[in-house]
Amino acid sequence: KAGVTQTPRYLIKTRGQQVTLSCSPISGHRSVSWYQQTPGQGLQFLFEYFSETQRNKGNFPGRFSGRQFSNSRSEMNVSTLELGDSALYLCASSPSNSGGTEQYFGPGTRLTVT
Amino acid sequence: GENVEQHPSTLSVQEGDSAVIKCTYSDSASNYFPWYKQELGKRPQLIIDIRSNVGEKKDQRIAVTLNKTAKHFSLHITETQPEDSAVYFCAASIGGYSTLTFGKGTMLLVSP
Repeated sequence: KAGVTQTPRYLIKTRGQQVTLSCSPISGHRSVSWYQQTPGQGLQFLFEYFSETQRNKGNFPGRFSGRQFSNSRSEMNVSTLELGDSALYLCASSPSNSGGTEQYFGPGTRLTVT
Repeated sequence: GENVEQHPSTLSVQEGDSAVIKCTYSDSASNYFPWYKQELGKRPQLIIDIRSNVGEKKDQRIAVTLNKTAKHFSLHITETQPEDSAVYFCAASIGGYSTLTFGKGTMLLVSP
């Protein structure tokens, strides 16, 4: 099976702009989670979607949002970008609707905010 | 919420030595504990995991142990090789959710 894919791989945006990132999970996986990775904070959970519904949300401001489509592909959106939003954004897909199952990461989208 | 502490932050070993990375978690409801390896510029890769009904799991040179009472779990790598050099992350999740809470990571350096 093809792995998790993310587009675009790199983005450069200006403060105040908004950005949309896309994630395609492994075929058959219905759960998609998003994480932000920075040198200072490490890997932090943003949100998780299962069957087009957000099941859980991390401690991030409302500027961070997401959605999932019927084919399990997911997008996340960040509005009114701040310098501190510069990070690697990773999505991970999981085969099951219950916890305690493996998550497989995509290559990430490197977002730079100037 | 869950909190995962990981130590050490950096670990340097000679090729052939063993390496041990330790994590503690705070929420006794956590029941799934994966370990990820992330090489520079690459995605985190799942290398081994353990569930709360198991005390130890091995896969060739790597093993993970879990002490539910103490809320500790550890990664053991034997006969380290230079290609083991990477950042290793531990994580924990609570049953019923796919949310992973990660430790801050350990940079493992294996010198030839």
